[in-house]
Amino acid sequence: AQSVSQHNHHVILSEAASLELGCNYSYGGTVNLFWYVQYPGQHLQLLLKYFSGDPLVKGIKGFEAEFIKSKFSFNLRKPSVQWSDTAEYFCAVRPFSGGYNKLIFGAGTRLAVHP
Amino acid sequence: GAVVSQHPSRVICKSGTSVKIECRSLDFQATTMFWYRQFPKKSLMLMATSNEGSKATYEQGVEKDKFLINHASLTLSTLTVTSAHPEDSSFYICSAYPQVGEGYETQYFGPGTRLLVL
Repeated sequence: AQSVSQHNHHVILSEAASLELGCNYSYGGTVNLFWYVQYPGQHLQLLLKYFSGDPLVKGIKGFEAEFIKSKFSFNLRKPSVQWSDTAEYFCAVRPFSGGYNKLIFGAGTRLAVHP
Repeated sequence: GAVVSQHPSRVICKSGTSVKIECRSLDFQATTMFWYRQFPKKSLMLMATSNEGSKATYEQGVEKDKFLINHASLTLSTLTVTSAHPEDSSFYICSAYPQVGEGYETQYFGPGTRLLVL
């Protein structure tokens, strides 16, 4: 079955630390990849997405992600986090098979940034 | 970006009653919308795909008679939780995506509806 794995369930960092959140998926075909963020009390917002082209994609608020096809990974990075980055981060995959545009979400990673 | 709204944001109801949740795409048309359920400290679970003008497609394990979906127009989908029970208490989220223009093929999410069944 298709699945998305986010290995870090809870991450705690100090401000200015670097961030990398892992995301791996299990699907052999073509996929679109997304990272969404959910700030406390708010709805899911798109951070960035990969459809094709340059595997290093840049999103909002200084986030970036790299698609490594051979590793089935789409890790999220930020060189220097801020307290305002405290949120839950979800990786999502859209496989190009049947149910077009159906998203499969990872379990999420809860990030807490301390001042 | 595209905006999706939900109403109500929070609802409390008695066990056995039905509750309707609305999902609207405010600045774009959407022939397809999605309904998710999010459990505390858990990820989003896709419940069903709502299709304008046709029947919804339910994910395995989701009771279609329990969770009625109606996609009445290109900007509105409703989810009705029928004969609600305490175990139906959850956070329900909808999403939609523009079919043309900016944001094409990217799902935008509503703010969610928190349902508490007493």
